Amino acid sequence: AQKVTQAQTEISVVEKEDVTLDCVYETRDTTYYLFWYKQPPSGELVFLIRRNSFDEQNEISGRYSWNFQKSTSSFNFTITASQVVDSAVYFCALSEAGNNNDMRFGAGTRLTVKP
Amino acid sequence: DTGVSQNPRHKITKRGQNVTFRCDPISEHNRLYWYRQTLGQGPEFLTYFQNEAQLEKSRLLSDRFSAERPKGSFSTLEIQRTEQGDSAMYLCASSLGSGQYTTDTQYFGPGTRLTVL
Repeated sequence: AQKVTQAQTEISVVEKEDVTLDCVYETRDTTYYLFWYKQPPSGELVFLIRRNSFDEQNEISGRYSWNFQKSTSSFNFTITASQVVDSAVYFCALSEAGNNNDMRFGAGTRLTVKP
Repeated sequence: DTGVSQNPRHKITKRGQNVTFRCDPISEHNRLYWYRQTLGQGPEFLTYFQNEAQLEKSRLLSDRFSAERPKGSFSTLEIQRTEQGDSAMYLCASSLGSGQYTTDTQYFGPGTRLTVL
């Protein structure tokens, strides 16, 4: 069965600090997809990234970067030079290929960036 | 290009009443999903449509929950005989999919927050 664990319930940092959000997943499939979404206070989930299990290259998008390591079943998310607007709940999710797009989410990490 | 829209945004009802929520997906998206999100948790998958066909409904929480997508465009989620435990955010997402076994990126709407008194 697929499962996602986000062990960090809440993180608080001061603006301009770097912060890493951890995500550990479990799956028996060899083909799967990992996602990160951001949920700001307005409530709408915003798509950030999708990565398939065959692509272990790390990705950087502006201040955001993602580190995918199959050996440790982790897909961690780093925000560099955090800003107050980064304050939100961040969700990691896993979808096994061909599983009717049944996406399993972690419980989320609430990030607070203080000025 | 508009995103996924959901109506109403908030619904307050009394226990035992029926409620219906509507979701309008991104216009060219053929797949539509419903999720439930309770406080402090991630979204929980409920059901999934490809066009008008409901391909997965075993994860609907009980037989009080039902969903339709009659013309393959908008969808409705109905909860009959609501209970206080149904209070949650109900999220809709859509995606553009091709092939039965593809996994798509899902784009979410703002949700409908249900409060059952």
